[in-house]
Amino acid sequence: QVHLVQSGSELKKPGASVKVSCKASGYTFNSYALNWVRQAPGQGLEWMGWSDTKTGNPTYAQGFTGRFVFSLDTSVNTAYLQITNLKAEDTAFYFCASGSAMGAYWGQGTLVTVS
Amino acid sequence: QSALTQPASVSGSPGQSIAISCSGTSSDVGAYNYVSWHQQHPGKGPKLIIFDVSDRPSGISNRFSGSKSGNTASLTISGLQPEDEADYYCSSYTSGSTYVFGTGTKVTVL
Repeated sequence: QVHLVQSGSELKKPGASVKVSCKASGYTFNSYALNWVRQAPGQGLEWMGWSDTKTGNPTYAQGFTGRFVFSLDTSVNTAYLQITNLKAEDTAFYFCASGSAMGAYWGQGTLVTVS
Repeated sequence: QSALTQPASVSGSPGQSIAISCSGTSSDVGAYNYVSWHQQHPGKGPKLIIFDVSDRPSGISNRFSGSKSGNTASLTISGLQPEDEADYYCSSYTSGSTYVFGTGTKVTVL
């Protein structure tokens, strides 16, 4: 059974950094890409980009370059999203998603609050 | 990459059928058969209900069906039930090797 388990909620001050983790289990980690999705309060889903779990190569969507970094630790089947120089508008739920179809499996989401 | 266009809201009575459209371009919806639909109940994470335009994951009711014509995909919910009240998002692979979500549709069961 596939599980994507994310780290807990974070409260950060503007200008700080945060690192969200997403630990995968129940499948071979490098079988599927690992996507990141943002959902601001009361808003829709935004695709942030993905990590190629075979090569580690990240791809970032427009609007998510510069302060957003995707990384992997394949030894523990875990993906990371780091956001630097946090701004109030980064307050959102951040989801990881994977599977043969994008979004076949979702993490439970991590709320990052910047205040 | 602009978000795919969905109606903000759709409503129907129990037992009725409703359809949600997802309008894209020849660079995303029209280019690939990689359109998915995700259901999200309030306070919950998204859940995949349709992938590759019209396929259902295991365990998803056959009341949910998907289709595509040109640059527009559609999700149909037949035999509408109270538990179908949720937000629905389409997504598509794009020619830039990226994905894009739709603007989202709130389904209300009257």
